[in-house]
Amino acid sequence: KAGVTQTPRYLIKTRGQQVTLSCSPISGHRSVSWYQQTPGQGLQFLFEYFSETQRNKGNFPGRFSGRQFSNSRSEMNVSTLELGDSALYLCASSSDRGQGYTFGSGTRLTVV
Amino acid sequence: GENVEQHPSTLSVQEGDSAVIKCTYSDSASNYFPWYKQELGKRPQLIIDIRSNVGEKKDQRIAVTLNKTAKHFSLHITETQPEDSAVYFCAASRAGNNNDMRFGAGTRLTVKP
Repeated sequence: KAGVTQTPRYLIKTRGQQVTLSCSPISGHRSVSWYQQTPGQGLQFLFEYFSETQRNKGNFPGRFSGRQFSNSRSEMNVSTLELGDSALYLCASSSDRGQGYTFGSGTRLTVV
Repeated sequence: GENVEQHPSTLSVQEGDSAVIKCTYSDSASNYFPWYKQELGKRPQLIIDIRSNVGEKKDQRIAVTLNKTAKHFSLHITETQPEDSAVYFCAASRAGNNNDMRFGAGTRLTVKP
């Protein structure tokens, strides 16, 4: 059974640019959540999607957005990148039956 | 929304000793409490979880306890080994119709041989 796949693994972008990250959940999982991980802030919740609908949203500015497709794959977009957006972005999928998350390996974004 | 606090932020123990990490949560509706282990450069991995209808759960050297009244839960690792060294995260959510899992800030556990 394939795990959660995130692409790309690494990204270097310039301040002001935009970026799109992709997450393919475990087959059969319909819930996909996104987290930002930084050394000083731990795992910060961005948003959660289920059946193409955003169900929950964390406290991030509107520059951070996402979507989910009918096959449950999800994308996250960050516009007008800032230096502070440099982080590891983790995606996690769940069967939405009260089970724990399975995380992907993450996308490490560096903004220069 | 849910707020999860985790203590201590760092913990150093001798091999063979026990380690305890504590978390508190704010949302009384939270009913699912997983723990994740993240080794350096790797993804967080679920190691144990507990639901609100259970007070304690054990899996070999790892146990978790939950006190719903006080809104706190703890991870206990006995007979620690160097491979237990990692960052541990607690989390809380209202499992079911909504997955809104919030994590604690993490505890860096170091087990000295």
